[in-house]
Amino acid sequence: EADIYQTPRYLVIGTGKKITLECSQTMGHDKMYWYQQDPGMELHLIHYSYGVNSTEKGDLSSESTVSRIRTEHFPLTLESARPSHTSQYLCASSGPGREDKQGEYEQYFGPGTRLTVT
Amino acid sequence: AQSVTQLDSHVSVSEGTPVLLRCNYSSSYSPSLFWYVQHPNKGLQLLLKYTSAATLVKGINGFEAEFKKSETSFHLTKPSAHMSDAAEYFCVVSDRDDKIIFGKGTRLHILP
Repeated sequence: EADIYQTPRYLVIGTGKKITLECSQTMGHDKMYWYQQDPGMELHLIHYSYGVNSTEKGDLSSESTVSRIRTEHFPLTLESARPSHTSQYLCASSGPGREDKQGEYEQYFGPGTRLTVT
Repeated sequence: AQSVTQLDSHVSVSEGTPVLLRCNYSSSYSPSLFWYVQHPNKGLQLLLKYTSAATLVKGINGFEAEFKKSETSFHLTKPSAHMSDAAEYFCVVSDRDDKIIFGKGTRLHILP
């Protein structure tokens, strides 16, 4: 059973507020990811990290920022929320398992944060 | 460049009948391929994965997928659908650079 957590699960917030979505994993995985998923649409990678102090932008441009100060923690921040940020945000991590080989790691996903900006 | 195409955005089958969710991929290298399932208001769950071992991969909940290099396909199948299979399914490709691409998803509807 994978151990990756996201808080809050649901968030309704007003325009202009600063928010941080939390993501933590207890598996010691080096790689972590943030995805954005609009209702009925595909997942888009918005940020990823290959380890502490490593952050990269994903395929979909996002106004959010991330940090990776500790291996287990990969928070996502929106400095000023807007209605266009309303979406589901999924965090994931990947790393070696008992059967995996290098470069063939599956991703473990958190339950997601459903954000609504009014 | 790699890509993944899920050929159907919606699939409807009757309970007890076979399920086929189609996925085609494009990759410059030998890819790793995955199928994930997402039930409403739940996180993603790995169904199965192909990582250059056996071409027929068995996953959880009775699902399996066959990697066909000649057809660049990785279709997901199940012999007999259950109501609890209703969900969104994502085909995912990952190459040796660890770049990961998700398909657009296929919503599976199960008719009673």
